[in-house]
Amino acid sequence: EPEVTQTPSHQVTQMGQEVILRCVPISNHLYFYWYRQILGQKVEFLVSFYNNEISEKSEIFDDQFSVERPDGSNFTLKIRSTKLEDSAMYFCASNQDRGGSDTEAFFGQGTRLTVV
Amino acid sequence: AQSVTQLDSHVSVSEGTPVLLRCNYSSSYSPSLFWYVQHPNKGLQLLLKYTSAATLVKGINGFEAEFKKSETSFHLTKPSAHMSDAAEYFCVVSDPYKIIFGKGTRLHILP
Repeated sequence: EPEVTQTPSHQVTQMGQEVILRCVPISNHLYFYWYRQILGQKVEFLVSFYNNEISEKSEIFDDQFSVERPDGSNFTLKIRSTKLEDSAMYFCASNQDRGGSDTEAFFGQGTRLTVV
Repeated sequence: AQSVTQLDSHVSVSEGTPVLLRCNYSSSYSPSLFWYVQHPNKGLQLLLKYTSAATLVKGINGFEAEFKKSETSFHLTKPSAHMSDAAEYFCVVSDPYKIIFGKGTRLHILP
């Protein structure tokens, strides 16, 4: 069964450093998403991406964050100058269609980011 | 605008008794609705999804959910709880623009 792959599974970084979280969406999918889950809290939408540009972003997704699809397979989330409060599980998802009935977003297993 | 409300942050049931996790939604579009489960320190696993074909949806591990448009609800049920069902459950709504998660319901199973 096709799956979304995220690497690394766990990353520890020092405060102020930049991190890049990587995702390989399902190959024929067109819509890509990043979500964040701070420990013990809800899963929060960060950004959606389609046709090589951001289609929607939340207020969490400020100038510290950026996304990129550098080649035909990877979808990355860059966090500049990390802060302690960026520590969270980050989930990537992809969808064949924009949404609506009969579509399903597939989620990766997540990258646990720990900022120390 | 769309939103998802999970009415209970915690639910406790005894092993072998029925489970009911409640979810209400609002959407300006015809939404897709899903339930995901997250076991401790694990990723998100799809339990079931609503398509327009049937209002009663059966998922994995004996779970099912009924889509009730008049009540804007999509409650998750299971006839008999098992210890392995202890986890966080998320009701999710998807429309053409984004996927929105409910705040989650933590299901506790009492021996």
